[in-house]
Amino acid sequence: GDSVTQMEGPVTLSEEAFLTINCTYTATGYPSLFWYVQYPGEGLQLLLKATKADDKGSNKGFEATYRKETTSFHLEKGSVQVSDSAVYFCALSPTGANSKLTFGKGITLSVRP
Amino acid sequence: EAGVVQSPRYKIIEKKQPVAFWCNPISGHNTLYWYRQNLGQGPELLIRYENEEAVDDSQLPKDRFSAERLKGVDSTLKIQPAELGDSAVYLCASVGSSYEQYFGPGTRLTVT
Repeated sequence: GDSVTQMEGPVTLSEEAFLTINCTYTATGYPSLFWYVQYPGEGLQLLLKATKADDKGSNKGFEATYRKETTSFHLEKGSVQVSDSAVYFCALSPTGANSKLTFGKGITLSVRP
Repeated sequence: EAGVVQSPRYKIIEKKQPVAFWCNPISGHNTLYWYRQNLGQGPELLIRYENEEAVDDSQLPKDRFSAERLKGVDSTLKIQPAELGDSAVYLCASVGSSYEQYFGPGTRLTVT
């Protein structure tokens, strides 16, 4: 079945550091890929998405590129802020509307001033 | 517009007791999901509704879990009886025309 593997955490960075969070997936066909973020005390929010190979999703300075050849969707940000401290989840859904999401385990990011 | 509403936010019960969670999706969203999120894990689908019809309940433990969405709007998820292993955060999400899933804040269940 479908699965998502995220790098082990937690991750602690200093403000303005470069961020990479690795995500790889296993799926049949051509899934859509997502990054969700969960800030402390809040619900999951969609951060960015990509629906086909080589698409780049971006939002709030975060980027991720859909790499079919390496089945990866790594999240990057050039300069993190304290306010980026949260739990980040990589997820996929099969092609088609209203498909269920399969999530990775999530990784906690802490950014210190 | 109001987001997905869930209640209660927290619930502590003893094992073997029943418990129910309520979700009110975003107005106009026909698709509703219930997920369970264990500590340190990502959410896992329990059931998906299209309007009032449960179209995917293959991962719902039907011996103790039940769900309903009688009028195709709000939904209730029930556990009876609860077990220690049911301690988790129960998330509700709804989907509109953009196919983006909007999540509620979740209900944190602790079974003692």
